[in-house]
Amino acid sequence: KAGVTQTPRYLIKTRGQQVTLSCSPISGHRSVSWYQQTPGQGLQFLFEYFSETQRNKGNFPGRFSGRQFSNSRSEMNVSTLELGDSALYLCASSLELSRPSAVHGYTFGSGTRLTVV
Amino acid sequence: AQSVTQLDSHVSVSEGTPVLLRCNYSSSYSPSLFWYVQHPNKGLQLLLKYTSAATLVKGINGFEAEFKKSETSFHLTKPSAHMSDAAEYFCVVQYSSASKIIFGSGTRLSIRP
Repeated sequence: KAGVTQTPRYLIKTRGQQVTLSCSPISGHRSVSWYQQTPGQGLQFLFEYFSETQRNKGNFPGRFSGRQFSNSRSEMNVSTLELGDSALYLCASSLELSRPSAVHGYTFGSGTRLTVV
Repeated sequence: AQSVTQLDSHVSVSEGTPVLLRCNYSSSYSPSLFWYVQHPNKGLQLLLKYTSAATLVKGINGFEAEFKKSETSFHLTKPSAHMSDAAEYFCVVQYSSASKIIFGSGTRLSIRP
């Protein structure tokens, strides 16, 4: 079956602009999580959506937002881009909302590499 | 604070020799532990996971990890390294009292011919 699909793969934006990234989870998966990966900070959790509701949120400013649609596809939006927002943004899907008892783990997409100039 | 620590940022081994990537977590009730691998310009792929079942977990590509509660460790091992194992490896933990998952800082594995 198809994996997690993230579009676009690469993006170049100018400071001050806004950007929307898309993530299509594995069919049947209802949870979508977003992560930011940078060389300096490593992988950091942004937020998780389940059944169109944000269930968990990391420590990022309000410029970072997201939403999930009824078909479980998710979008992430970053407004007023800063140079420090340049990163690989990874999306992960799982069958259910993340819980310690979850046995399936997450499936990650290949990411969207965002460069802010 | 709940955390996960990968003790080595970079490990280099010769092809055919054993691999050991170390991971320690802060103590909590029955954490779920995962190892992911990330090849250059690719997303993360699940190698293996521990969820309160057998303490020795076997994963894909010959990797395995042992959950040691007394040492709060979940080290990743492979008996014989292959060139294709060169990648970044992440140890990930989920705790009982929190629902989000926490990533380690990653260990870059290099394989010498």
